[in-house]
Amino acid sequence: KAGVTQTPRYLIKTRGQQVTLSCSPISGHRSVSWYQQTPGQGLQFLFEYFSETQRNKGNFPGRFSGRQFSNSRSEMNVSTLELGDSALYLCASSPRAGDNNEQFFGPGTRLTVL
Amino acid sequence: GDSVTQMEGPVTLSEEAFLTINCTYTATGYPSLFWYVQYPGEGLQLLLKATKADDKGSNKGFEATYRKETTSFHLEKGSVQVSDSAVYFCALRDDKIIFGKGTRLHILP
Repeated sequence: KAGVTQTPRYLIKTRGQQVTLSCSPISGHRSVSWYQQTPGQGLQFLFEYFSETQRNKGNFPGRFSGRQFSNSRSEMNVSTLELGDSALYLCASSPRAGDNNEQFFGPGTRLTVL
Repeated sequence: GDSVTQMEGPVTLSEEAFLTINCTYTATGYPSLFWYVQYPGEGLQLLLKATKADDKGSNKGFEATYRKETTSFHLEKGSVQVSDSAVYFCALRDDKIIFGKGTRLHILP
């Protein structure tokens, strides 16, 4: 079974631009979560989607948004990029939402904002 | 709210040394507990998990026991290898998953 895939793997943008990251979960998984990882803040939860609905949201500004499609693939969008948005963005999937099973992580998208 | 606290790194050990990485948590419910590992340039991989009190998770020589009385889930390995060098994250999941800040482990040959 293929793992979680994320595209692109690397991205360079400039301040003020917007970016869209994509995540394809493991086949059959319906829950997708997004995390931002930085050296200073560690892993911070962005949001979780299940059946095309946002279930949970972390403490990020409205510039960060996401959506999930009917095939469970998810996209994350960041508008008006700031230097501080430079990070590794990780996507994780699990079969269901709200249970105690582990999440399976993709390799991440490394975003650099210049 | 729920939280996870793990020892700060970096932790540097010689090969074949005994490893302990401390992790404690606070939770209102009955979460599952996890250790994830992140190798350089990669995403997170599940190392082991425990879903209820007194459960012991184990994998690749690593072990951790879910201790409800001390709200702890310490990671241990009897003899570390250079290939164990990575960042280790303790996490809990009740509804949302919450991670500790990670502990970087360096193993010297």
